[in-house]
Amino acid sequence: GEDVEQSLFLSVREGDSSVINCTYTDSSSTYLYWYKQEPGAGLQLLTYIFSNMDMKQDQRLTVLLNKKDKHLSLRIADTQTGDSAIYFCALSGGSYIPTFGRGTSLIVHP
Amino acid sequence: DTGVSQDPRHKITKRGQNVTFRCDPISEHNRLYWYRQTLGQGPEFLTYFQNEAQLEKSRLLSDRFSAERPKGSFSTLEIQRTEQGDSAMYLCASSLVGGGSYNEQFFGPGTRLTVL
Repeated sequence: GEDVEQSLFLSVREGDSSVINCTYTDSSSTYLYWYKQEPGAGLQLLTYIFSNMDMKQDQRLTVLLNKKDKHLSLRIADTQTGDSAIYFCALSGGSYIPTFGRGTSLIVHP
Repeated sequence: DTGVSQDPRHKITKRGQNVTFRCDPISEHNRLYWYRQTLGQGPEFLTYFQNEAQLEKSRLLSDRFSAERPKGSFSTLEIQRTEQGDSAMYLCASSLVGGGSYNEQFFGPGTRLTVL
């Protein structure tokens, strides 16, 4: 099965950029996702990228995909305290059923 | 539409009891998914329905677990003879597949189960 690895914690200062990294093992994944989970709330899809893309930008979010190294990253520009949450990397194939990583807790301090 | 809703939000039960959770998906969505999330982990897939048909079940879904979606709308997840290891957040998600839509899954807030 798919293994998805993420570092567990990231601490940044407000206004700085955050970069959350993810590595995976199954190169046949078609869709790669980033989800956000805030306390007491369900998961929210932030963005996704197709496996035939290298980069996707959406306002403050930039997703980079390095297929050779099986590495996915999420960059959040101008990080705000409201960005504090757990961020999950996830991958799926044609079934659209994602396999999630353990999540990275992003802590934004003033 | 207010999104995916789940009921109850919290459930505390004693080991050996049966529990049932309900999920109401976004009304026009044809797929409904159940996941389990334990502390410090990402969600793990349990099962999904397309309309009323249960199309896939994970090996995590032991025979004590049963899910239904009788009319292709809401779904229930029942756990019989609960064990302490069943303590987790149970998440429901729904999506629209086909008709040119992307299949983004929209998650509910979850039901937190504590088995004493």
